[in-house]
Amino acid sequence: AAGVIQSPRHLIKEKRETATLKCYPIPRHDTVYWYQQGPGQDPQFLISFYEKMQSDKGSIPDRFSAQQFSDYHSELNMSSLELGDSALYFCASSFTSGAITDTQYFGPGTRLTVL
Amino acid sequence: TQLLEQSPQFLSIQEGENLTVYCNSSSVFSSLQWYRQEPGEGPVLLVTVVTGGEVKKLKRLTFQFGDARKDSSLHITAAQPGDTGLYLCAGELQETSGSRLTFGEGTQLTVNP
Repeated sequence: AAGVIQSPRHLIKEKRETATLKCYPIPRHDTVYWYQQGPGQDPQFLISFYEKMQSDKGSIPDRFSAQQFSDYHSELNMSSLELGDSALYFCASSFTSGAITDTQYFGPGTRLTVL
Repeated sequence: TQLLEQSPQFLSIQEGENLTVYCNSSSVFSSLQWYRQEPGEGPVLLVTVVTGGEVKKLKRLTFQFGDARKDSSLHITAAQPGDTGLYLCAGELQETSGSRLTFGEGTQLTVNP
């Protein structure tokens, strides 16, 4: 079965640079979530989108922005990168029907290293 | 403050032993998931529980959701070295309108042959 696809899998950037992470949800999934996982920490929710509209916002820095496109893929844009942004970034997708959101399935993640 | 307290954080046992991992909160969850995560990889879904008191079995793994939907447990029978990994509980808080997952700190399980 098709899974969530994330690209790139690894990314190395310098401080103050920008980065764009991409997420392709499971086919027919309409909701996308972004999580950040620091070393030795549990994943922290950043932001989510349902039908191309932001549906929830967590601890996402103002330097980050995200959007969901008409084909339901999502991109997380990160600017003015800081050393502390080095982490694993996961995308998850699910299917929402009315008020019910199905289980979230996670992608393999993008490892961002800021030097 | 950790909304979901997971224990133990580290567990090292011998092959064939049984173990239980706990996930506790003072908050009510509309659903709770258990994931397993390998280093540098994304969490892989094991099970979703949504009904208070629900018990689900997946081969040697038994998952239980508390009656009040505030806690959950994962029991592994006759653990095998292949069970080694990081186990994460994660839930959707009933009080929030979105579907964000709140994660526990994880349990790093090592099963020694």
